[in-house]
Parts: sequence; C-alpha cells; structure tokens
Amino acid sequence: QKEVEQNSGPLSVPEGAIASLNCTYSDRGSQSFFWYRQYSGKSPELIMFIYSNGDKEDGRFTAQLNKASQYVSLLIRDSQPSDSATYLCAVNWGYNFNKFYFGSGTKLNVKP
Amino acid sequence: DVKVTQSSRYLVKRTGEKVFLECVQDMDHENMFWYRQDPGLGLRLIYFSYDVKMKEKGDIPEGYSVSREKKERFSLILESASTNQTSMYLCASSFGGGVGLSGGLDSHAYGYTFGSGTRLTVV
Repeated sequence: QKEVEQNSGPLSVPEGAIASLNCTYSDRGSQSFFWYRQYSGKSPELIMFIYSNGDKEDGRFTAQLNKASQYVSLLIRDSQPSDSATYLCAVNWGYNFNKFYFGSGTKLNVKP
Repeated sequence: DVKVTQSSRYLVKRTGEKVFLECVQDMDHENMFWYRQDPGLGLRLIYFSYDVKMKEKGDIPEGYSVSREKKERFSLILESASTNQTSMYLCASSFGGGVGLSGGLDSHAYGYTFGSGTRLTVV
C-alpha cells in the first residue's frame, strides 16, 4: 500500500514566523520528493524538489529529507500572508519517476 | 510559457449525460494524467498515459474512460455522468522515460505541470 501522509491542518502561524510542514511516506525505496503549493481555487504548482538526505534551500523555502525515517518536510521562513495555501507532498516509488503519489495536503494560514 | 490547457473552467451537466473533458499540453510531454480533487480526499488518480494510445488505470477508474490519440491531447470521458462525479478535475503532464534512473538526481525533470482545472457539477 503506497501511502503519503500529511496533517491536514489548518496550520496557523503569525506573519514573520517559520512554518513547518511535514510529510511521511510508506515506501523505503522512494527516491524523489516534490512540494507543490495550491492556492484556493487554483491548481497545484511545483515549488521544491529534493532527492538526497539533508536540507535544500531555495529562497525562504527549505526542504528537508530523512530517508531513514521516511520523512520529508518543508520550512517556510519569514512567512507571509501570501504563503497561505495548501501544500502537497508528492513521492515517487522506487526507480519509476513517471508517477508520483500525493498526500492530501496541509492547509497553511499565515496571519498578518 | 509552458502550458497545460483544460478546455472548460466550469461545467454543469445532467445525470446520465456523456461528458468529455479535454486537456492539451504544449511541452511535448510523454506522460499525461487525470486527477479528481475533493475536500478531505486530496488528489486521486483516475487514469494516466505514458504514450499515444497507451493508458493505465489509476486508483479510481470506475465510471471513466480516456483517449489519447495525439501526444499533446488527453481526454477524460464520463460515460454516464452521476452526481457523485461532481468534483474538480485536474489534468497534468510530465516528461517520460523516468524509469531506472541512477537515483533521484535527474528526477527534478519529472515534476508535474497542472492545468487550471475543470469544476464539474452533475445535477
């Protein structure tokens, strides 16, 4: 059973704080991990990608991966109200990168 | 700018009607996908296609069929629409050939590009 788990939230943080979004997955063979952002009424857009253990930074976003714990996270520093959205985690299975499995998403609210 | 275009943003159909949802991409992607998204259930894969005329069932194919006659176009067909098919339908595409890579280094290329979605209401 291929499972990607996310806390549905909502996660509420004040403006300027760090938002931490978490995702766990069931298959130890997973190699590639994406984060998508979805604004209300819009379609998902790709924001981050990580494939090796450790941290990967892109602007205010940091993706963290721990394959031993089967855990991937997204940190958003200096959160802004414009970051309010649902964040989806996507995971591939094994060495097939044609198809990814999505978590149900975590809703983030950044309060001014 | 690369695009995945879904033909309709909103559709209202009657129970029992045959419904066609169209998706066109201009990125020369091999892979195309149809998802539906419902509150609390996340994205659920209906069908996907790795190549022209090829299709594979996803997690919830019942009541749906697909057609891919050209590389750039992937159609979702509701054979006889029912009220429980009221949902947001999302098309996505990605590059193909991503099998057997030596680890995830090149897998960034396989991220999905989504269309803007079709909100279908069946009454």
